[in-house]
Amino acid sequence: DSGVTQTPKHLITATGQRVTLRCSPRSGDLSVYWYQQSLDQGLQFLIQYYNGEERAKGNILERFSAQQFPDLHSELNLSSLELGDSALYFCASSVTLRHDTGELFFGEGSRLTVL
Amino acid sequence: DQQVKQNSPSLSVQEGRISILNCDYTNSMFDYFLWYKKYPAEGPTFLISISSIKDKNEDGRFTVFLNKSAKHLSLHIVPSQPGDSAVYFCAAIETSGSRLTFGEGTQLTVNP
Repeated sequence: DSGVTQTPKHLITATGQRVTLRCSPRSGDLSVYWYQQSLDQGLQFLIQYYNGEERAKGNILERFSAQQFPDLHSELNLSSLELGDSALYFCASSVTLRHDTGELFFGEGSRLTVL
Repeated sequence: DQQVKQNSPSLSVQEGRISILNCDYTNSMFDYFLWYKKYPAEGPTFLISISSIKDKNEDGRFTVFLNKSAKHLSLHIVPSQPGDSAVYFCAAIETSGSRLTFGEGTQLTVNP
């Protein structure tokens, strides 16, 4: 158990809909990351928040947005969903901004299926 | 542009033998490299890392080698055990960066 909690674990929805994925980081971790893993793809970085502020942005679509709240939990909002958005979405957290010693902890992921 | 590449989607080895997983990168600004392991229905977990100032780091059965001139790193597992069967992701971080760039992953299967 990494201490990072993601909900929901599974989500099935239709094209054009909007969903919200939620992440609770480990206690004390200020940094939250979102990654997307599509079929046969590696983990694609979407966005990072540190103590409520956006710190880095990856290949995140304009239809996607995220935020980190004062209690440090984060939400990833996906709108106007397309079939290609079906993927595993991982949240990860760390204490610091830079985790080169490996202190990046992943949740179990939210599996999104768009039909 | 895939800056971190794992060209082997899968690898199968016998229990007790060596497993070698490879990773290539293109970004010369990467200064720290990590390997993560992922079991089904779980998130990735950190395995081992290496700084660009080193060429080898060892932790028990796991050793990571870095060849900066070739922009190549590898993970050696000796001896391999069936419990090592998982997807292994190579990842890298830039000098001034804060995020990890991951490879596509290699599915390792260790047969009893």
